[in-house]
Amino acid sequence: KQEVTQIPAALSVPEGENLVLNCSFTDSAIYNLQWFRQDPGKGLTSLLLIQSSQREQTSGRLNASLDKSSGRSTLYIAASQPGDSATYLCAVRGYNNNDMRFGAGTRLTVKP
Amino acid sequence: DTAVSQTPKYLVTQMGNDKSIKCEQNLGHDTMYWYKQDSKKFLKIMFSYNNKELIINETVPNRFSPKSPDKAHLNLHINSLELGDSAVYFCASSQSGLLNTEAFFGQGTRLTVV
Repeated sequence: KQEVTQIPAALSVPEGENLVLNCSFTDSAIYNLQWFRQDPGKGLTSLLLIQSSQREQTSGRLNASLDKSSGRSTLYIAASQPGDSATYLCAVRGYNNNDMRFGAGTRLTVKP
Repeated sequence: DTAVSQTPKYLVTQMGNDKSIKCEQNLGHDTMYWYKQDSKKFLKIMFSYNNKELIINETVPNRFSPKSPDKAHLNLHINSLELGDSAVYFCASSQSGLLNTEAFFGQGTRLTVV
């Protein structure tokens, strides 16, 4: 069964810093990987999706990379802002693409 | 228009009661999911349906019974509620067979069992 791990569990940075969130998975036979953001008491907002054949995706200040062979993905956030404070979740979809598994998330705090 | 909508948003009920949570998606997706988010915020898959057919049942107690009347709806019925069922339940949908398919989530239903 696919297991997804996110490191660190929590991260606090001053505004303006660049930062990297990590996601690792045990089964490299994936369909795609999706990064989400969750604000307290809210639902999940999709940030980026990387197909299994892709190496990276970019959206604004966000860049997600995928190294399928090593079972890793990173989410890079450039020039962080207080509004980026949230929990970031990665989800991996296996070849049975009805099976989407989450990591425990990284709680990010960006201090003004 | 809300892509994935769940009702109710909040549900407070007593132990032993039976309750239902409804989910509807208007994205034309063929796959729907139920996830449970516990107090530690971990999202755990409970069920996955594809075209009204149960695909994944992740060792969930049989007090939980999903029902999919059509591929746009996946409802969750819970019998004999227990304190440990208190959590936020999320419904999601996606389209199978496409590498670039994103999953979309509802806003969640916060269930409190007292």
